[in-house]
Amino acid sequence: AQTVTQSQPEMSVQEAETVTLSCTYDTSENNYYLFWYKQPPSRQMILVIRQEAYKQQNATENRFSVNFQKAAKSFSLKISDSQLGDTAMYFCASLSGETSGSRLTFGEGTQLTVNP
Amino acid sequence: EPEVTQTPSHQVTQMGQEVILRCVPISNHLYFYWYRQILGQKVEFLVSFYNNEISEKSEIFDDQFSVERPDGSNFTLKIRSTKLEDSAMYFCASSEGQGAYQPQHFGDGTRLSIL
Repeated sequence: AQTVTQSQPEMSVQEAETVTLSCTYDTSENNYYLFWYKQPPSRQMILVIRQEAYKQQNATENRFSVNFQKAAKSFSLKISDSQLGDTAMYFCASLSGETSGSRLTFGEGTQLTVNP
Repeated sequence: EPEVTQTPSHQVTQMGQEVILRCVPISNHLYFYWYRQILGQKVEFLVSFYNNEISEKSEIFDDQFSVERPDGSNFTLKIRSTKLEDSAMYFCASSEGQGAYQPQHFGDGTRLSIL
């Protein structure tokens, strides 16, 4: 079984600054995947970035990057040059790579507010 | 860009009644999912569906729940004899395939309120 924990219910950042959202996970598997999803006020959950556990290199997508610490089971999201449109609920999630199916396991979510 | 659409956006139902939540997945996707989020809690997996049958379900998905793809475009979640604790946001998702390289695309959700 996999568990995902986000210990920051809310965070705020000034526009153009950098913010880091924390996520820790627990799994007994060697092969798994990690994701960050964004849910803006419009409600649709959007995939922001993904990381394969077997890759040591941290994933990046434009202003979004992760700090993947496999030994510590930590997977934080860094948002650079924050924009007002980044205001959203952010969910960290994991996916087993070893079992069949595609069950995403989510964290509690972090509400990020970008202030002008 | 293609989207997963869910209707209705908000459903209010009396306890004990049946409710059907509807989803239209992205047209070329083959895998379909339902998740739910009780207010203040995590998003939880309910069920995945492929090739007209359930491929995986969670312990939450008991006999009260059923899923169906009645017409090749809609994907529905039926809850029989609803309970107060079924009040939640229900999310539908779809993907082209399984695994991390085929990301799940989510709909806006249906807020279900049981009175």
